[in-house]
Amino acid sequence: NAGVTQTPKFRVLKTGQSMTLLCAQDMNHEYMYWYRQDPGMGLRLIHYSVGEGTTAKGEVPDGYNVSRLKKQNFLLGLESAAPSQTSVYFCASSLALSREQYFGPGTRLTVT
Amino acid sequence: ILNVEQSPQSLHVQEGDSTNFTCSFPSSNFYALHWYRWETAKSPEALFVMTLNGDEKKKGRISATLNTKEGYSYLYIKGSQPEDSATYLCAFDSTLTFGKGTMLLVSP
Repeated sequence: NAGVTQTPKFRVLKTGQSMTLLCAQDMNHEYMYWYRQDPGMGLRLIHYSVGEGTTAKGEVPDGYNVSRLKKQNFLLGLESAAPSQTSVYFCASSLALSREQYFGPGTRLTVT
Repeated sequence: ILNVEQSPQSLHVQEGDSTNFTCSFPSSNFYALHWYRWETAKSPEALFVMTLNGDEKKKGRISATLNTKEGYSYLYIKGSQPEDSATYLCAFDSTLTFGKGTMLLVSP
């Protein structure tokens, strides 16, 4: 099992460009999450999904969109990147809300 | 979003010392509390998921306790080793809120 994978690992964008981060899990988990990690801020939830076809907003959803068309994939989109979105993005999945989350390796995004 | 607080922010101990950290969370609408271990340049890995008041869980030299009525959990490490050096995160399940972590450094 690969667990949780994220694509790409690194990316540099110019302000205003768009991109999609892909998260994939092979554990048949219902729940998937996108977090951002910034120095001194810890992990903050951007969006999450409780099952295929569902998404919900987290603590910091502005400037991001997500889709969960297939159970194993959770996509995070930036329509018009801003320097404030420079961060490390982590995807995670879990069997249920009260079960441990399994994290991907992270995507380091820099917006110039 | 209600706050999840962790203390101390960082801790430096010598090999062999025992140590503990605190996670405090809202005592209302409790569902579960998670502890994660996060080594530098890696991803967070789950240590414990705690759901019942009075829960005590153990994994090797690491253990955790839970008090949902007063809203806190303790993580203990007995006989710290250099490989225990990491950031320890707690997460409040009901709001999917993580604390900022306690960074532990264990010197040989």
